[in-house]
Order: sequence, then structure tokens, then C-alpha cells
Amino acid sequence: QLQLQESGPGLVKPSETLSLTCTVSGGSISRSGYYWGWIRQPPGKGLEWIGSIHYSGSTYSNPSLKSRVTIFVDTSKNQFSLKLSSVTAADTAVYYCARHWPLVGENWFDPWGQGTLVTVSS
Amino acid sequence: SSELTQDPAVSVALGQTVKITCQGDSLRSYYASWYQQKPGQAPILVIYAKNNRPSGIPDRFSGSSSGNTASLTITGAQAEDEADYYCNSRDSSGNSWVFGGGTKLTVL
Repeated sequence: QLQLQESGPGLVKPSETLSLTCTVSGGSISRSGYYWGWIRQPPGKGLEWIGSIHYSGSTYSNPSLKSRVTIFVDTSKNQFSLKLSSVTAADTAVYYCARHWPLVGENWFDPWGQGTLVTVSS
Repeated sequence: SSELTQDPAVSVALGQTVKITCQGDSLRSYYASWYQQKPGQAPILVIYAKNNRPSGIPDRFSGSSSGNTASLTITGAQAEDEADYYCNSRDSSGNSWVFGGGTKLTVL
């Protein structure tokens, strides 16, 4: 059974870079066709897609975050990671990673990690 | 603001049928997927590709699509279906993805 687990600091200072890693277990991150995505949810608010990456390194990013987002993959560790630069309090959220199947006729995110709360505060 | 619009809240009597809708121009070209999220939990996929259910999702959940509107229907709602529901699809550019604002379902 495929499982995803987010890890990283729970507290980041304003203007610094948020760094999170998602470890995939129970399956290979290099399986063809799948992307691996990051989604966040500010406290009490809705879901926001951040970006997705293929094991080849091909990425998609949310246009509203693209200038601050870097997503990369480490196939040797079966992990993918998110870096979000110049964070502000508005970036405080629960960050989820998920497997992403992005075909035009069949798009979905499943399964999801349990999520990790990142607070931006000095 | 989201390119996919959902009603913020919907209620249904126990055992009755409820339809949750998601509107957006991109839905004329792309199917939506639907996610259920209970408090303190990660979202789970309940419907994808218009009307496909992942393994383990009860058959009371179904999906449909017409024009710019995708719908999630729960036939015979149960107390455990009380949750937030989100739709997701590509945006109008086709190169990124967007979630609807979410619908809070209350089962009375």
C-alpha cells in the first residue's frame, strides 16, 4: 500500500525559506506516468495546489507561487521536496504531499500524506 | 479567488440524497475529481474522471458533469458523510490545477 509522509521544520521565520520533504513508501516514485504533488491548506481555509513533479524532473507550478517555489525529486531516496522562499505569515498552512495522476481525461490526487503544519512566525 | 466555485455549505437529512456542485469554465474541457475531508484529517479521493470511485469508496457516492458544472451526489447520506468536499480540475490554461473553495456538508 502506497504511503506518503511529510517531514520538515514546523516553524519558519518570515523572509526565510520553507523546506519540506515527502517520503514515499510501498511503491516507486519512478513509476511512469505519475507526478508527485504538494498542496497546502491555511488554517480554517480551503485547499491550494502548489505544484507537481515527475521523476524525470518535469514540473508544473501554481502561477501565483511559481516565482517562490522549487520542487525537486530524489529517486535514490524515493523522496520529493518543496522549497518556498521569502515566506510570510500568509504561507502558514498544513502542507500535504500526494501522488498526482494528471491526465486530461483522468486527473486525481491519491493517496495523500497526513500533512504537516508549518507556521511562519518570528 | 478560485476558478472553481462551490456553495460554501449544504445540508441533507439522514438517508436523503444531496448534490454538491462545482462550477467553472475549465470544466467544459476537463473532468473534476472530488475529495472528502473530515476535521483534522487529510483529504481522500472519492470520485475521479467524472464518475469513477476508488476502491473502498461506498457506491452511494457518484459523479456527473454537464457543461461548466461538475456534481457529486450522495444517495442515502449517512452521518459519517458529514465533511468538507472539494472539487479539483485543471484551470482554464490547462497547465495548472485548482481546487474549489469547498462545501461543508451537514447531515441532519
